[in-house]
Order: sequence, then C-alpha cells, then structure tokens
Amino acid sequence: GQQLNQSPQSMFIQEGEDVSMNCTSSSIFNTWLWYKQDPGEGPVLLIALYKAGELTSNGRLTAQFGITRKDSFLNISASIPSDVGIYFCAGTEGAQKLVFGQGTRLTINP
Amino acid sequence: DAGITQSPRYKITETGRQVTLMCHQTWSHSYMFWYRQDLGHGLRLIYYSAAADITDKGEVPDGYVVSRSKTENFPLTLESATRSQTSVYFCASEGTGREKLFFGSGTQLSVL
Repeated sequence: GQQLNQSPQSMFIQEGEDVSMNCTSSSIFNTWLWYKQDPGEGPVLLIALYKAGELTSNGRLTAQFGITRKDSFLNISASIPSDVGIYFCAGTEGAQKLVFGQGTRLTINP
Repeated sequence: DAGITQSPRYKITETGRQVTLMCHQTWSHSYMFWYRQDLGHGLRLIYYSAAADITDKGEVPDGYVVSRSKTENFPLTLESATRSQTSVYFCASEGTGREKLFFGSGTQLSVL
C-alpha cells in the first residue's frame, strides 16, 4: 500500500523560530493536505494542495506540493505558543482514501 | 450546532465485550470515515462509507463492523473487543469533494 514518511517526528523550538517539516511518498499523489491536531481533539485542516508545484499560504503557514508529486513541505514562520500540537500530512490519489503520515509533534519553549 | 459529534468521549471495556462507538454529522456529507490513532502509526483508516447503505473496508478493518442506515450516522462496532483495539478512534466526514475531511473530537477506548 501507499506509504508516507513524515519528518521530523518531533521538534523542540524556541518561540519566534521558524519551523519546517516534510512528507515523502512512495507513490504519486494528486492531493496533499496538512492537518493540525491539538491535545484531546481531532485533526483540523490547515492547507490543501491540488497541483504539482502549488505553493499556498494560510497566515504564517506555507505549504508546497512537490514537482514530483511525491513530496510536500509545511513551513511555520515566527512560531507562537498556540502552534504547539501534532502536524499531519496526508495524501491521496483521489479515491476518498487519504493516507496519513505519522505526525510531527511540535513543542515550543517560551 | 452543525458539525460532527462522537460519543462516548471515553470508554473502558473488557476483552470480549461488544462496544459501539457513535458518530453523527449534521452537514449531510456523503462520505464518512472511521480512523484509529495509535502512537507510531498516525491515523489508519478502518472503514468508510460513500453513502447510506454503502460501506467499504479501509486499511485495518479486522475486528470491526460498520453500518450506515442513515446519511447522518455511521456507528462503529467492535463485536468482541481485544486489547489491541485500545486506541483513540476518530470519525470524519468529507465536504464537497477534494478530500477535505472534518474530524470529530475522538473516542478514547481502553480494552482491559
């Protein structure tokens, strides 16, 4: 089946630093999505990408759909305490069956 | 309020018992999904449903049963719970295509 490798698994940063995480796939995807999960809650969609090379921003968040269609990255600029959580990438070939990465746990020291 | 709700939020049961987790959405979304979340595995798809009375297996369906008699409800049943089914379970529904899932708050299930 499809495999997604998300890295890093965890990050410990200082408030105000920029963050970068990425996902790579063993197969080509038509869609990449990035979700954030707060403790005790379900994941919430941050950014959706639908075209190879697409670069999309949502406030301090920027994500890109890789040209090869096998990777995506998410950047967070000037991190703040509420950015703490687990970030998941997800991809699909389009059959309503998303494959999720293992998550990146972000911890921010004030 | 519109949204997707799961119940119960927490459940403790014993090995061999039957457990049903409930999921209800008010958007009339066609697609609904059940995922389980475990450390080191991320989110894995158990079952999904494209519409009422249409269900299909996901990545890890063994030990689970689903039904979808009404569009808004998608219950997940563990017919004979096992310790390996201790997990956090998330229900989700999909908006108007484009794979944008909306998740419930989850059910934390412990099987003793």
